[in-house]
Amino acid sequence: TQLLEQSPQFLSIQEGENLTVYCNSSSVFSSLQWYRQEPGEGPVLLVTVVTGGEVKKLKRLTFQFGDARKDSSLHITAAQPGDTGLYLCAGATGNQFYFGTGTSLTVIP
Amino acid sequence: DAGVIQSPRHEVTEMGQEVTLRCKPISGHDYLFWYRQTMMRGLELLIYFNNNVPIDDSGMPEDRFSAKMPNASFSTLKIQPSEPRDSAVYFCASSPGQGSGELFFGEGSRLTVL
Repeated sequence: TQLLEQSPQFLSIQEGENLTVYCNSSSVFSSLQWYRQEPGEGPVLLVTVVTGGEVKKLKRLTFQFGDARKDSSLHITAAQPGDTGLYLCAGATGNQFYFGTGTSLTVIP
Repeated sequence: DAGVIQSPRHEVTEMGQEVTLRCKPISGHDYLFWYRQTMMRGLELLIYFNNNVPIDDSGMPEDRFSAKMPNASFSTLKIQPSEPRDSAVYFCASSPGQGSGELFFGEGSRLTVL
């Protein structure tokens, strides 16, 4: 099993604040993905990063893949209540996807 | 377009009973994955199939668990006999193919074993 540790595990912030979520592993992945999961639903893909050092932006969300392709971060600017959910990183090795431990984000209006 | 369809959405059963969870992947997707999600262990890969063939079942907890994919549009995950520690949300996901990198998840089947 290839372990991905996410931090923090829980995060509760006020609307308008910025935050960063981290995903770390000792393993190298061919790609890394971020998913968001809402209660009662399955995870939904937000982004895939493939190249070491790659940065991708999705509106107020910024994703970065570490140079060594072992870690990643997700930064949210000016968080909104609609950002509330469970954020999961997933490392891909071949055809297998290993999920991180998850970060539960609550944005308070 | 229909996404991944799972049934039942909720199942409550008693210890020792057989449980069968069902999944219909997105048409044309070559890969199908079964995951289990709990608060303690997060999202764990149980087994995955490629073109209906099981490729890696090393995540299946024990012999009480079995999974089949008789055709490209249907898969089952069976637990026999069920135990309280099997209580979890079980997700099925499909993927278009090697290198595509995206998993499409169903809404999950929440299993409670009393």
